[in-house]
Amino acid sequence: EVQLVESGGGLVQPGGSLRLSCAASGFTFSSYWMHWVRQAPGKGLVWVSRINSDGSSTSYADSVKGRFTISRDNAKNTLYLQMNSLRAEDTAVYYCARVGDTAMALYDAFDIWGQGTMVTVSS
Amino acid sequence: DIQMTQSPSSLSASVGDRVTITCRASQSISSYLNWYQQKPGKAPKLLIYAASSLQSGVPSRFSGSGSGTDFTLTISSLQPEDFATYYCQQSYSTPPREFTFGPGTKVDIK
Repeated sequence: EVQLVESGGGLVQPGGSLRLSCAASGFTFSSYWMHWVRQAPGKGLVWVSRINSDGSSTSYADSVKGRFTISRDNAKNTLYLQMNSLRAEDTAVYYCARVGDTAMALYDAFDIWGQGTMVTVSS
Repeated sequence: DIQMTQSPSSLSASVGDRVTITCRASQSISSYLNWYQQKPGKAPKLLIYAASSLQSGVPSRFSGSGSGTDFTLTISSLQPEDFATYYCQQSYSTPPREFTFGPGTKVDIK
């Protein structure tokens, strides 16, 4: 079964750090571009970051640039999001998502999503 | 930056109704527009990509159309399992790439 499972969320104080993981299974992880998307409680979806298949290219939303780092370990089939200097406004469920292949890849359509992991930034 | 808007923000409909949701981009995005469905407490699900291509396994009552700045998602005959929030997402931005979602349209039971 094709699956993404996030972990690493929790409660952290403002200014603190957290590393999220996204474990992939059921597909050739190293062939796919991956993204992180977040959703604050009761709010809409917000794109956070993207990484290409071999990890050599990344991009970030302006709101997290310089504070968050996306990376991947293809040998471990795992995607990461290192979050530093966390703020209250970073409180959200964080989803990892896979970009589909062939035509979906041309349009960066996210065909597989994890279940999400909650990050709460509060003192 | 490309901004996305959706209308309406919410709607009430009955089973069997035809439902249309509109998504508008602040500048032309060609066909770089995807649609997702999200149910409470669940991850989003891809419905439509490239403005009008139906994702595998998605019922044919869902359809998408449009290009440039104006797009629509249509549910031809609303089913009980379709009550959810729907998001459009653009993926056109030139580097640095950003992938903006619309604010969402909540479809609930009349």
